[in-house]
Amino acid sequence: AQTVTQSQPEMSVQEAETVTLSCTYDTSENNYYLFWYKQPPSRQMILVIRQEAYKQQNATENRFSVNFQKAAKSFSLKISDSQLGDTAMYFCAFLQRPQGAQKLVFGQGTRLTINP
Amino acid sequence: EAGVAQSPRYKIIEKRQSVAFWCNPISGHATLYWYQQILGQGPKLLIQFQNNGVVDDSQLPKDRFSAERLKGVDSTLKIQPAKLEDSAVYLCASSLQHRGLNTQYFGPGTRLTVL
Repeated sequence: AQTVTQSQPEMSVQEAETVTLSCTYDTSENNYYLFWYKQPPSRQMILVIRQEAYKQQNATENRFSVNFQKAAKSFSLKISDSQLGDTAMYFCAFLQRPQGAQKLVFGQGTRLTINP
Repeated sequence: EAGVAQSPRYKIIEKRQSVAFWCNPISGHATLYWYQQILGQGPKLLIQFQNNGVVDDSQLPKDRFSAERLKGVDSTLKIQPAKLEDSAVYLCASSLQHRGLNTQYFGPGTRLTVL
């Protein structure tokens, strides 16, 4: 079974700094998808960025980018020029497809606090 | 476009009582998911519907949990009887379909406390 591990339970940085959240996963599949989701204190989960494993180029969405290392099974999220609104729980997730279903397997999450 | 709606937002019950949660997905989304998120953990998929059929319920504790999506639109998740370990946030999500890659959109969740 696929597992997702986020080794940083909490992180805190100053506004405008750059922060990197770590994620590792375990799978025997070759083609898969990885995601970073953000869950602000209101608890509405929002997709931040996704990466297709077959693409070598790292995904980028404005201030958010990933460092995808397929051989190392590592998928870190970098937030540049961090803002107060970035304060949230961040979850790394792996997409499983058992028998045609579409199941997201989440890590334990990293609580990120941006300080003014 | 309206997002995924869930109600109630909060619920407190005694153990052994029953409880039901409701979810209305984004209009036109054929696939609906129920997740359980225990405090300090990531969400765990309980059940996935494609229209009104179950695609995956392998992690649903079927002795006490049940879910339905009779008309292929909104869905209800029920727990009967509740246990202390059922205290969690129950998240509903929806996507256009379950084949291919479709982004899952999440609702605000229902926070359940079992005393």
